[in-house]
Amino acid sequence: KAGVTQTPRYLIKTRGQQVTLSCSPISGHRSVSWYQQTPGQGLQFLFEYFSETQRNKGNFPGRFSGRQFSNSRSEMNVSTLELGDSALYLCASSLVVGPSTGELFFGEGSRLTVL
Amino acid sequence: GENVEQHPSTLSVQEGDSAVIKCTYSDSASNYFPWYKQELGKRPQLIIDIRSNVGEKKDQRIAVTLNKTAKHFSLHITETQPEDSAVYFCAQADNNDMRFGAGTRLTVKP
Repeated sequence: KAGVTQTPRYLIKTRGQQVTLSCSPISGHRSVSWYQQTPGQGLQFLFEYFSETQRNKGNFPGRFSGRQFSNSRSEMNVSTLELGDSALYLCASSLVVGPSTGELFFGEGSRLTVL
Repeated sequence: GENVEQHPSTLSVQEGDSAVIKCTYSDSASNYFPWYKQELGKRPQLIIDIRSNVGEKKDQRIAVTLNKTAKHFSLHITETQPEDSAVYFCAQADNNDMRFGAGTRLTVKP
């Protein structure tokens, strides 16, 4: 069974631009969550999607948004990029919705650099 | 949810020694406490988890203990091996979100 796939793996943007990241969950997993990983800050929860609906949201500004498609694939978008948005963005899938329901299966991440 | 404090941020041990990482939390609604291991350049992977109705759980050389009254939980690794070298993240979750600690970089010296 294929794991969680994230694209692109690496990208460089400049301040003010926007970026879209993609995540394909493990087949059969319907929940997709997104995390931002930065040195010293660890993993910070962005949002969780299930059945094309955002179910939970972390404490990030409205510039960060996402969506989920009917095949469970998810995208996240960051508009008006800032230098501080440079990070590794990790996607994770799980069988059921809810942060406390069980194991998250992470992708390898998309490393975003904002210049 | 509230943040999770994780200590220490770095830990170096000799091969064969034990390693202990501690996390504290403040959200009384937390009911799930997983630990993830992230090797250099790789994705985080779940190594053990515990739910709020259990005080201790063990899986071979790894164990986790939970003290709900004091709101802290710990990861214990015994007989450490060089392949245990990685960053370890604790997390706490309630029904709304999952909060991770800042991570502990464990180095096991052969």
